[in-house]
Amino acid sequence: KNEVEQSPQNLTAQEGEFITINCSYSVGISALHWLQQHPGGGIVSLFMLSSGKKKHGRLIATINIQEKHSSLHITASHPRDSAVYICAVTMDSNYQLIWGAGTKLIIKP
Amino acid sequence: ETGVTQSPTHLIKTRGQQVTLRCSSQSGHNTVSWYQQALGQGPQFIFQYYREEENGRGNFPPRFSGLQFPNYSSELNVNALELDDSALYLCASSLTVSSGANVLTFGAGSRLTVL
Repeated sequence: KNEVEQSPQNLTAQEGEFITINCSYSVGISALHWLQQHPGGGIVSLFMLSSGKKKHGRLIATINIQEKHSSLHITASHPRDSAVYICAVTMDSNYQLIWGAGTKLIIKP
Repeated sequence: ETGVTQSPTHLIKTRGQQVTLRCSSQSGHNTVSWYQQALGQGPQFIFQYYREEENGRGNFPPRFSGLQFPNYSSELNVNALELDDSALYLCASSLTVSSGANVLTFGAGSRLTVL
């Protein structure tokens, strides 16, 4: 079993839809990261969370430490949101980043 | 100048050769991590450097080695290249504080093709 599990693996939606991507983890963490990777490889850090909720523009990230679960939401989705979204955690015991497999999101116009 | 810069962006090598990839970390960041991302897969942690010392290593053989310089820039060296080393190599810098967790800034990656 992977230490970081994401769902869904693939998601296709229409422009304007509300998007939710889920992440569950099984290890003790000091932080959880949501990252965005566009075709060609560049990775952008969207959020780092250790508790609660963060919002940036149309993106919202939440984390429930007790349930070891986090969600990334995109409101009013747009084709430019199409990318792979990756959940990764920094473990308590070291600084290594453990990655989820990613969610490939396609937003159709 | 903010952001992480990696070089070269693309390169082609042949089996058995050696390669050096470079990463300049974001200003103020003291930690650099390197990741290997094979096509269609998630990134795999290679190692991390904190203040010029290796601070953690993933499951990679010793022919993968690194350096961090006093200005916190970093190099990844791979000796005796194998075909499976073909991948996107990502560098991420961060400011490590006592909590251990901090925002990462990624470079655009160096795409290595081994023929």
